[in-house]
Amino acid sequence: DAKTTQPNSMESNEEEPVHLPCNHSTISGTDYIHWYRQLPSQGPEYVIHGLTSNVNNRMASLAIAEDRKSSTLILHRATLRDAAVYYCILRALTGANSKLTFGKGITLSVRP
Amino acid sequence: DTAVSQTPKYLVTQMGNDKSIKCEQNLGHDTMYWYKQDSKKFLKIMFSYNNKELIINETVPNRFSPKSPDKAHLNLHINSLELGDSAVYFCASSQATRGVYGYTFGSGTRLTVV
Repeated sequence: DAKTTQPNSMESNEEEPVHLPCNHSTISGTDYIHWYRQLPSQGPEYVIHGLTSNVNNRMASLAIAEDRKSSTLILHRATLRDAAVYYCILRALTGANSKLTFGKGITLSVRP
Repeated sequence: DTAVSQTPKYLVTQMGNDKSIKCEQNLGHDTMYWYKQDSKKFLKIMFSYNNKELIINETVPNRFSPKSPDKAHLNLHINSLELGDSAVYFCASSQATRGVYGYTFGSGTRLTVV
């Protein structure tokens, strides 16, 4: 499985932007970059995914480096509800590595 | 309307018992999954069904048996429960298996074996 590396934890202040980094130096050409988050006592929740271009949705933005070896999930204005574990996951387009395989993720704390 | 629903939400049972967890999705997805999250919070995939056919079967004891009566349902039956089976079990679904599709997860079933 292609692997990702994330810091263990990060703190942010409420209403400020948050940039969550992810390194994936062994990414292959057809690997999609997925982000999920898990709020306390809830199931994982899809956040965003992309292949090469930056992506925006109502929850977040995904900035993908030109060489695709790293990406950054951007929460534009953190709220207390955004405190969660965020997982950066590579998924192949097809085959055995297309399944969603979770790592340790990064724990985001949000200060009021 | 809950997209992926699991029942029960909590399950406390004794060692050696047999129990089932049910999962239903109303998203029209073709693929469903079972994940296990242990006390250390690691999420591991256990099984995946695509159009009622088993496509992923990770290294899981054969006491665990998934059953998919139709595309909208994937149940998990566990025989001879052991203390180590205590965990939160999550059901998920996706439109298809390809990496371009996201997963939708249920809210989990917390299983406690005493």
